[in-house]
Amino acid sequence: DADVTQTPRNRITKTGKRIMLECSQTKGHDRMYWYRQDPGLGLRLIYYSFDVKDINKGEISDGYSVSRQAQAKFSLSLESAIPNQTALYFCATSEGTDPTYNEQFFGPGTRLTVL
Amino acid sequence: RKEVEQDPGPFNVPEGATVAFNCTYSNSASQSFFWYRQDCRKEPKLLMSVYSSGNEDGRFTAQLNRASQYISLLIRDSKLSDSATYLCADEGSASKIIFGSGTRLSIRP
Repeated sequence: DADVTQTPRNRITKTGKRIMLECSQTKGHDRMYWYRQDPGLGLRLIYYSFDVKDINKGEISDGYSVSRQAQAKFSLSLESAIPNQTALYFCATSEGTDPTYNEQFFGPGTRLTVL
Repeated sequence: RKEVEQDPGPFNVPEGATVAFNCTYSNSASQSFFWYRQDCRKEPKLLMSVYSSGNEDGRFTAQLNRASQYISLLIRDSKLSDSATYLCADEGSASKIIFGSGTRLSIRP
């Protein structure tokens, strides 16, 4: 079984709709992250959470919100989707116990298209 | 200036060749660096971490040059299966990782 799962894997929606992307992990990691990936722009950090009570904005948080429901679950919401939010979205986790080592484990990604 | 910059490529090299990529970073306080490999439409996976001056794992060697603020990845005796996008990453401050935009590598028979 995959350690980091994302649902849905693919989603097509219309402008203005509210969308939630979900991420679950069985790795027992405290740290969770949401990234989006666009061609030529690499991975950009949207939000991250170091524990259930900790939520931080990344470099491109506008238009997004998150919820850390439990250690194992981190959801990303688009309150009113717009076409330039069309992208591949990745959730990731890391252990975070070693301040000098922070390997990220990624989910399989969610491909979101906003029409 | 972007925090982490990579040559996007594509690098197109014959099987068996040696290929090297560089990645520059802007945060002089960064301590940890990583190379991730990403296959088409798949998630990134850690290839190597880079500490101090560098490290080696089989055909792959990663090096860190703090004076010039870059890390490099060297692939020797390249295989067809090495074709992928290689992302460098800088842990930087606040323990959040900043990724470069990736370098595409294509190995031809």
